[in-house]
Amino acid sequence: DTGVSQDPRHKITKRGQNVTFRCDPISEHNRLYWYRQTLGQGPEFLTYFQNEAQLEKSRLLSDRFSAERPKGSFSTLEIQRTEQGDSAMYLCASRGLAGKGAGELFFGEGSRLTVL
Amino acid sequence: GESVGLHLPTLSVQEGDNSIINCAYSNSASDYFIWYKQESGKGPQFIIDIRSNMDKRQGQRVTVLLNKTVKHLSLQIAATQPGDSAVYFCAENIQGAQKLVFGQGTRLTINP
Repeated sequence: DTGVSQDPRHKITKRGQNVTFRCDPISEHNRLYWYRQTLGQGPEFLTYFQNEAQLEKSRLLSDRFSAERPKGSFSTLEIQRTEQGDSAMYLCASRGLAGKGAGELFFGEGSRLTVL
Repeated sequence: GESVGLHLPTLSVQEGDNSIINCAYSNSASDYFIWYKQESGKGPQFIIDIRSNMDKRQGQRVTVLLNKTVKHLSLQIAATQPGDSAVYFCAENIQGAQKLVFGQGTRLTINP
């Protein structure tokens, strides 16, 4: 499977714990995105990487959230001191080479977080 | 503001009928639009896209129409099948920006 893969698919944690999600984008894509989706809503943009550089962050991304893409390939999204309001589906997506203009985002299946 | 919205949160159609899902967008600087389909527990799946220099694009059983005058986008699905049941999102790309902005979605239900 050469699509976007995310791990874990499901995570249940207690409030106050830290969680980390991993995303492996399509290999030839240098643009990587994180979105958050709550029930009944469309995906909301969190952050964007071009190669290893984090170029944009939404105000939704509080200081408890941190995303990295150290080698320009896979990315991690960490949430520290989780709160019940963090419960959501965290979607990763990748896109073709920057400079090629707009194009579709290829999404992974998401990592569903439940904070008890 | 940069938001994309949908006229109806739910749509029910008879199997075999045509479905039309509508979307209104607010940013006149948007130059690219996509329709995504999302089944329960899965990530959004690309259906069809259209650039702002076009007003219509057809795929297999799907057609997207773009009316820039009134900032309206629609997705037409011909001969709707049970497998078309899902939530459909429109998304816009604002020119010069790198991210897609999504609307809230329309849940399409197929009646047998």
